[in-house]
Amino acid sequence: GAGVSQSPSNKVTEKGKDVELRCDPISGHTALYWYRQSLGQGLEFLIYFQGNSAPDKSGLPSDRFSAERTGGSVSTLTIQRTQQEDSAVYLCASSAGTLVDTQYFGPGTRLTVL
Amino acid sequence: EDKVVQSPLSLVVHEGDTVTLNCSYEVTNFRSLLWYKQEKKAPTFLFMLTSSGIEKKSGRLSSILDKKELFSILNITATQTGDSAIYLCAVKNSGGSNYKLTFGKGTLLTVNP
Repeated sequence: GAGVSQSPSNKVTEKGKDVELRCDPISGHTALYWYRQSLGQGLEFLIYFQGNSAPDKSGLPSDRFSAERTGGSVSTLTIQRTQQEDSAVYLCASSAGTLVDTQYFGPGTRLTVL
Repeated sequence: EDKVVQSPLSLVVHEGDTVTLNCSYEVTNFRSLLWYKQEKKAPTFLFMLTSSGIEKKSGRLSSILDKKELFSILNITATQTGDSAIYLCAVKNSGGSNYKLTFGKGTLLTVNP
């Protein structure tokens, strides 16, 4: 595709429910990143995928958060038993490879946990 | 741990004004510094800087890096209302975590007509 796409664009859920956020990277990009942006804060790194290598999950804030990337393309970020502090914009980015510094971002998913 | 500090946090100007946004950083094994513009949700790439003293320019926007003093500035001349956005600065290191960007909190620029 022309750019990184994410769905849904907005998600409102009740505390305790599970949510899944989807990211379609730019075609041919091998590296995929998830970031979280809370109100008034900068982007916080969550997880990174590169090709078939094991992902770097060091930024995930708790074990309620998980992500997978199937077939080296689409990625899903799952948050289980959502809490109000999970409310944020979740941004996905991709790059042509680890050594290519420029990351291109999707429009994000705004998650609101009531 | 890498760190990026941007200033000011917010700025209000009138159309036609020139603005300078600041970004200072602390990073182990510096590799690059990137500027993004975030209007709604998606940050869009503006510049990537790797060498000191070499200005990057795109229209009314320009940026320069000082690796000795560990900072970068983003200049916008003849501002327009369409420049209103959050401007994000990020750094990348060349060490073991050389894939992730460390972001500052951003500068919220508001350009009034």
